[in-house]
Amino acid sequence: DAKTTQPPSMDCAEGRAANLPCNHSTISGNEYVYWYRQIHSQGPQYIIHGLKNNETNEMASLIITEDRKSSTLILPHATLRDTAVYYCIVVQGGKLIFGQGTELSVKP
Amino acid sequence: DTEVTQTPKHLVMGMTNKKSLKCEQHMGHRAMYWYKQKAKKPPELMFVYSYEKLSINESVPSRFSPECPNSSLLNLHLHALQPEDSALYLCATRSGGAVADTQYFGPGTRLTVL
Repeated sequence: DAKTTQPPSMDCAEGRAANLPCNHSTISGNEYVYWYRQIHSQGPQYIIHGLKNNETNEMASLIITEDRKSSTLILPHATLRDTAVYYCIVVQGGKLIFGQGTELSVKP
Repeated sequence: DTEVTQTPKHLVMGMTNKKSLKCEQHMGHRAMYWYKQKAKKPPELMFVYSYEKLSINESVPSRFSPECPNSSLLNLHLHALQPEDSALYLCATRSGGAVADTQYFGPGTRLTVL
């Protein structure tokens, strides 16, 4: 079973920051948190991952709480093309176990 | 080259047909995966190959038969499928090193079983 819970859906205005939360309260000390997104009918796309420290790349930022029980993916300036299902995943034994994800709708 | 390709993009088959899905990568990754995704559901892991050997079978019915002929290719042979097997079939690869290595997904094959 997936070790993460996410809100099923969120809206965001175009140009604003999208903050997607994820709870992973049973995460173990050496388990990474990964974020992927899936645009309709395409393969999942890797966004970012982290263990303890906050991470940033050209797509997004990942903020992990100090106790590692939750994290937030931040898309700093959402565009219409960011509309997708976003999956927060705790890697278990090298396997990606997908939860239900958050369906993000970016609106003009 | 960070691309995973899958062919065909779409496949329609009858329940008595035999068909194959193909996945190819040239990233030198040594772990390859098959996932199945039903509509409005998250992807579910089916098989994992590590260094061309089957390492994980998630209790998949025998009508699905994976094959890894070399480090760049992964096939999924289909035989006597049921309509409920209609889904998006996704291939992914990982470098096979540390647990944290990222998986890269192909675009998928949309399978319809009539």
